[in-house]
Amino acid sequence: DAGVIQSPRHEVTEMGQEVTLRCKPISGHDYLFWYRQTMMRGLELLIYFNNNVPIDDSGMPEDRFSAKMPNASFSTLKIQPSEPRDSAVYFCASSFRTSGTGTGELFFGEGSRLTVL
Amino acid sequence: GDSVTQMEGPVTLSEEACLTINCTYTATGYPSLFWYVQYPGEGLQLLLKATKADDKGSNKGFEATYRKETTSFHLEKGSVQVSDSAVYFCAHGSSNTGKLIFGQGTTLQVKP
Repeated sequence: DAGVIQSPRHEVTEMGQEVTLRCKPISGHDYLFWYRQTMMRGLELLIYFNNNVPIDDSGMPEDRFSAKMPNASFSTLKIQPSEPRDSAVYFCASSFRTSGTGTGELFFGEGSRLTVL
Repeated sequence: GDSVTQMEGPVTLSEEACLTINCTYTATGYPSLFWYVQYPGEGLQLLLKATKADDKGSNKGFEATYRKETTSFHLEKGSVQVSDSAVYFCAHGSSNTGKLIFGQGTTLQVKP
Protein backbone atom coordinates (compact mmCIF):
# COMPACT_ATOMS: atom_id res chain seq x y z
CA ASP A 1 0.00 0.00 0.00
CA ALA A 2 1.20 3.51 -0.75
CA GLY A 3 2.05 5.60 2.26
CA VAL A 4 1.76 9.34 2.64
CA ILE A 5 3.30 10.95 -0.40
CA GLN A 6 4.90 14.37 -0.28
CA SER A 7 6.40 16.52 -2.98
CA PRO A 8 8.84 17.95 -3.63
CA ARG A 9 11.38 16.10 -1.48
CA HIS A 10 13.77 19.00 -1.73
CA GLU A 11 13.16 22.62 -2.58
CA VAL A 12 15.70 25.41 -2.77
CA THR A 13 14.34 28.86 -3.41
CA GLU A 14 15.20 32.49 -2.92
CA MET A 15 13.72 34.77 -0.32
CA GLY A 16 10.46 36.30 -1.46
CA GLN A 17 9.47 33.44 -3.72
CA GLU A 18 6.29 31.45 -3.28
CA VAL A 19 6.65 27.86 -2.12
CA THR A 20 3.99 25.17 -2.43
CA LEU A 21 4.34 21.82 -0.71
CA ARG A 22 2.01 18.98 -1.57
CA CYS A 23 0.69 15.97 0.26
CA LYS A 24 -1.35 12.94 -0.64
CA PRO A 25 -2.61 11.17 2.49
CA ILE A 26 -3.30 7.47 2.80
CA SER A 27 -6.60 6.57 1.23
CA GLY A 28 -9.39 6.31 3.81
CA HIS A 29 -7.67 8.42 6.43
CA ASP A 30 -9.80 11.26 7.75
CA TYR A 31 -7.15 13.35 9.52
CA LEU A 32 -4.28 15.22 7.91
CA PHE A 33 -1.54 17.08 9.73
CA TRP A 34 1.24 19.43 8.67
CA TYR A 35 4.33 19.53 10.90
CA ARG A 36 7.53 21.52 10.65
CA GLN A 37 10.84 20.20 11.98
CA THR A 38 13.89 22.33 12.79
CA MET A 39 16.90 21.80 15.00
CA MET A 40 15.96 24.75 17.17
CA ARG A 41 12.26 24.13 17.70
CA GLY A 42 11.90 20.41 17.09
CA LEU A 43 8.64 19.14 15.63
CA GLU A 44 5.86 21.74 15.54
CA LEU A 45 2.26 21.14 14.54
CA LEU A 46 1.23 23.79 12.05
CA ILE A 47 -2.33 22.83 11.14
CA TYR A 48 -4.57 19.82 10.91
CA PHE A 49 -7.70 18.87 9.03
CA ASN A 50 -10.54 16.49 9.74
CA ASN A 51 -12.60 15.40 6.75
CA ASN A 52 -10.97 18.17 4.69
CA VAL A 53 -11.98 20.89 7.16
CA PRO A 54 -9.25 22.83 9.02
CA ILE A 55 -9.69 22.18 12.74
CA ASP A 56 -6.76 23.93 14.36
CA ASP A 57 -4.39 26.32 12.62
CA SER A 58 -3.00 27.91 15.77
CA GLY A 59 0.45 26.61 14.94
CA MET A 60 0.69 28.44 11.64
CA PRO A 61 3.45 30.93 12.33
CA GLU A 62 2.30 33.86 10.22
CA ASP A 63 -0.13 34.98 7.58
CA ARG A 64 2.51 34.09 5.02
CA PHE A 65 1.57 30.46 5.65
CA SER A 66 -1.64 28.96 4.33
CA ALA A 67 -2.92 25.41 3.92
CA LYS A 68 -5.76 23.91 1.97
CA MET A 69 -7.35 20.54 1.57
CA PRO A 70 -9.67 20.67 -1.45
CA ASN A 71 -10.47 16.97 -1.28
CA ALA A 72 -9.72 13.86 0.75
CA SER A 73 -6.68 12.92 -1.31
CA PHE A 74 -4.75 16.17 -1.56
CA SER A 75 -3.46 19.01 0.60
CA THR A 76 -1.10 21.92 0.06
CA LEU A 77 0.96 24.10 2.34
CA LYS A 78 1.90 27.41 0.83
CA ILE A 79 4.41 30.00 1.97
CA GLN A 80 4.22 33.39 0.31
CA PRO A 81 6.59 35.18 0.47
CA SER A 82 9.19 32.79 1.79
CA GLU A 83 11.96 33.86 4.19
CA PRO A 84 15.25 32.20 5.22
CA ARG A 85 13.81 31.38 8.67
CA ASP A 86 11.22 29.17 6.97
CA SER A 87 13.98 26.72 6.09
CA ALA A 88 12.99 23.41 7.65
CA VAL A 89 11.70 19.94 6.90
CA TYR A 90 7.93 19.96 6.48
CA PHE A 91 6.11 16.72 7.20
CA CYS A 92 2.63 15.70 6.27
CA ALA A 93 0.93 12.94 8.26
CA SER A 94 -2.44 11.26 8.11
CA SER A 95 -4.46 9.09 10.45
CA PHE A 96 -7.73 7.32 10.88
CA ARG A 97 -9.32 7.67 14.27
CA THR A 98 -10.90 4.46 15.40
CA SER A 99 -13.77 5.33 17.69
CA GLY A 100 -13.45 4.16 21.26
CA THR A 101 -9.69 3.70 21.19
CA GLY A 102 -8.55 7.28 21.23
CA THR A 103 -6.09 8.86 18.85
CA GLY A 104 -5.18 6.84 15.83
CA GLU A 105 -1.60 6.23 14.73
CA LEU A 106 -0.05 8.94 12.58
CA PHE A 107 1.55 7.88 9.33
CA PHE A 108 4.20 10.31 8.17
CA GLY A 109 5.48 11.13 4.73
CA GLU A 110 9.20 11.37 4.09
CA GLY A 111 9.12 15.14 4.34
CA SER A 112 9.91 18.11 2.13
CA ARG A 113 13.22 19.78 2.90
CA LEU A 114 12.92 23.49 2.21
CA THR A 115 15.89 25.81 1.95
CA VAL A 116 15.23 29.50 1.50
CA LEU A 117 18.32 31.47 0.51
CA GLY B 1 -1.10 23.78 28.22
CA ASP B 2 -0.47 20.27 27.01
CA SER B 3 3.18 19.39 26.57
CA VAL B 4 5.73 16.58 26.41
CA THR B 5 9.23 16.76 27.90
CA GLN B 6 11.99 14.33 26.97
CA MET B 7 15.48 13.94 28.30
CA GLU B 8 17.97 15.86 26.27
CA GLY B 9 20.31 14.09 23.94
CA PRO B 10 22.36 13.01 22.33
CA VAL B 11 22.57 9.70 24.12
CA THR B 12 25.62 7.65 23.15
CA LEU B 13 25.79 4.00 24.12
CA SER B 14 27.85 0.96 23.27
CA GLU B 15 26.17 -1.98 21.60
CA GLU B 16 24.30 -4.24 24.05
CA ALA B 17 24.02 -1.50 26.67
CA CYS B 18 20.72 -0.74 28.41
CA LEU B 19 18.69 2.22 27.25
CA THR B 20 16.28 4.49 29.08
CA ILE B 21 14.89 7.66 27.56
CA ASN B 22 12.74 9.60 30.00
CA CYS B 23 9.46 11.19 28.97
CA THR B 24 6.95 13.10 31.05
CA TYR B 25 3.81 14.84 29.91
CA THR B 26 1.16 17.32 30.96
CA ALA B 27 -2.32 16.88 29.59
CA THR B 28 -5.96 17.31 30.39
CA GLY B 29 -7.88 14.09 30.53
CA TYR B 30 -6.34 10.73 29.76
CA PRO B 31 -4.40 10.83 26.53
CA SER B 32 -2.91 7.99 24.57
CA LEU B 33 0.89 7.89 24.71
CA PHE B 34 3.29 7.10 21.88
CA TRP B 35 6.92 6.64 20.99
CA TYR B 36 7.89 7.41 17.41
CA VAL B 37 11.29 6.79 15.81
CA GLN B 38 12.91 8.74 12.99
CA TYR B 39 15.77 7.19 11.04
CA PRO B 40 18.07 9.51 9.06
CA GLY B 41 16.39 11.04 6.04
CA GLU B 42 13.02 9.52 6.81
CA GLY B 43 9.72 10.52 8.36
CA LEU B 44 8.61 9.44 11.79
CA GLN B 45 7.16 5.99 12.29
CA LEU B 46 5.29 4.55 15.23
CA LEU B 47 7.42 2.44 17.55
CA LEU B 48 4.89 1.63 20.28
CA LYS B 49 1.88 3.03 22.05
CA ALA B 50 -0.28 2.71 25.18
CA THR B 51 -3.85 3.88 25.42
CA LYS B 52 -4.59 3.72 29.15
CA ALA B 53 -2.92 3.76 32.54
CA ASP B 54 -0.66 0.80 33.35
CA ASP B 55 -0.68 -0.37 29.74
CA LYS B 56 2.71 -1.48 28.43
CA GLY B 57 3.56 -0.88 24.80
CA SER B 58 6.29 -2.98 23.23
CA ASN B 59 7.93 -3.48 19.85
CA LYS B 60 11.35 -4.53 18.54
CA GLY B 61 12.62 -5.06 22.09
CA PHE B 62 11.56 -1.59 23.22
CA GLU B 63 9.05 -1.14 26.04
CA ALA B 64 7.26 1.74 27.75
CA THR B 65 4.65 1.72 30.52
CA TYR B 66 1.90 4.32 30.89
CA ARG B 67 2.34 5.69 34.43
CA LYS B 68 -0.53 7.99 35.29
CA GLU B 69 0.68 8.68 38.83
CA THR B 70 3.99 10.07 37.59
CA THR B 71 2.69 11.24 34.18
CA SER B 72 5.55 9.39 32.55
CA PHE B 73 6.14 7.06 29.62
CA HIS B 74 9.85 6.17 29.70
CA LEU B 75 11.29 4.20 26.80
CA GLU B 76 13.49 1.22 27.67
CA LYS B 77 15.48 -1.45 25.89
CA GLY B 78 17.65 -4.03 27.52
CA SER B 79 20.26 -4.38 24.79
CA VAL B 80 20.63 -1.78 22.05
CA GLN B 81 22.02 -2.40 18.59
CA VAL B 82 23.81 -0.13 16.15
CA SER B 83 20.67 -0.23 14.00
CA ASP B 84 18.72 1.45 16.83
CA SER B 85 20.59 4.69 16.19
CA ALA B 86 17.87 7.23 15.43
CA VAL B 87 15.88 10.08 16.92
CA TYR B 88 13.13 9.04 19.33
CA PHE B 89 10.05 11.15 19.96
CA CYS B 90 7.60 10.83 22.80
CA ALA B 91 4.07 12.07 22.12
CA HIS B 92 0.63 12.20 23.60
CA GLY B 93 -2.67 12.37 21.82
CA SER B 94 -6.03 13.71 22.71
CA SER B 95 -9.03 11.53 22.09
CA ASN B 96 -11.03 14.74 21.78
CA THR B 97 -8.98 16.58 19.18
CA GLY B 98 -7.22 13.76 17.38
CA LYS B 99 -3.87 15.56 17.33
CA LEU B 100 -0.52 14.52 18.77
CA ILE B 101 1.81 16.71 20.81
CA PHE B 102 5.47 15.70 20.40
CA GLY B 103 8.47 16.10 22.63
CA GLN B 104 11.63 17.63 21.25
CA GLY B 105 13.19 14.31 20.34
CA THR B 106 16.19 12.45 21.74
CA THR B 107 19.02 11.38 19.48
CA LEU B 108 20.42 7.93 20.21
CA GLN B 109 23.78 6.88 18.82
CA VAL B 110 24.88 3.30 19.37
CA LYS B 111 28.53 2.51 18.76
CA PRO B 112 29.84 -0.95 17.87
